[in-house]
Amino acid sequence: QKEVEQNSGPLSVPEGAIASLNCTYSDRGSQSFFWYRQYSGKSPELIMFIYSNGDKEDGRFTAQLNKASQYVSLLIRDSQPSDSATYLCASPGNYGQNFVFGPGTRLSVLP
Amino acid sequence: SAVISQKPSRDICQRGTSLTIQCQVDSQVTMMFWYRQQPGQSLTLIATANQGSEATYESGFVIDKFPISRPNLTFSTLTVSNMSPEDSSIYLCSVEESETLEQYFGPGTRLTVT
Repeated sequence: QKEVEQNSGPLSVPEGAIASLNCTYSDRGSQSFFWYRQYSGKSPELIMFIYSNGDKEDGRFTAQLNKASQYVSLLIRDSQPSDSATYLCASPGNYGQNFVFGPGTRLSVLP
Repeated sequence: SAVISQKPSRDICQRGTSLTIQCQVDSQVTMMFWYRQQPGQSLTLIATANQGSEATYESGFVIDKFPISRPNLTFSTLTVSNMSPEDSSIYLCSVEESETLEQYFGPGTRLTVT
């Protein structure tokens, strides 16, 4: 059974700092990973995806994938209070089947 | 990305009754999914809604409890049958971009069973 694990938090960082969110996975065959942001009372919103080992940058967000160690991380630079949300790591199966979400990490950015 | 709407956005239902949730997409998509998110929890995939055939259910979910229809490539329904308070949850539909496997979510339906 594929599993995706995250520290549930809450993770608190001061405004302007780097927030580091981590995710580990059990299925060595997993090829891609997605990071979703979910504000309280809202549906998840896709913010990043990564397929290859290494880093992928998009604005203030950087996703990092290390397949050998089976972890994927999301760095948020210059954190803002508006980044306060739950961040979900997810790994899809074939054609979306067995799409597994981690439990999510709650991030709080303190002004 | 596709624009997804769900109806109703929320409902309060009596135990033993059934509720049908509708999901409409503004473009044709091959893959549609239904998820449940219980309070304070992450998302759990209920089933894949297949156009023209029976839905594919994940472990722990059965068709009698969660019948799904997918009459075309832009629409699906999920029915929560014979509801109990344990069914109180947010139900979300999602669609998948076939090339990238990215999933996009509808706004969700918040169900409370009393």
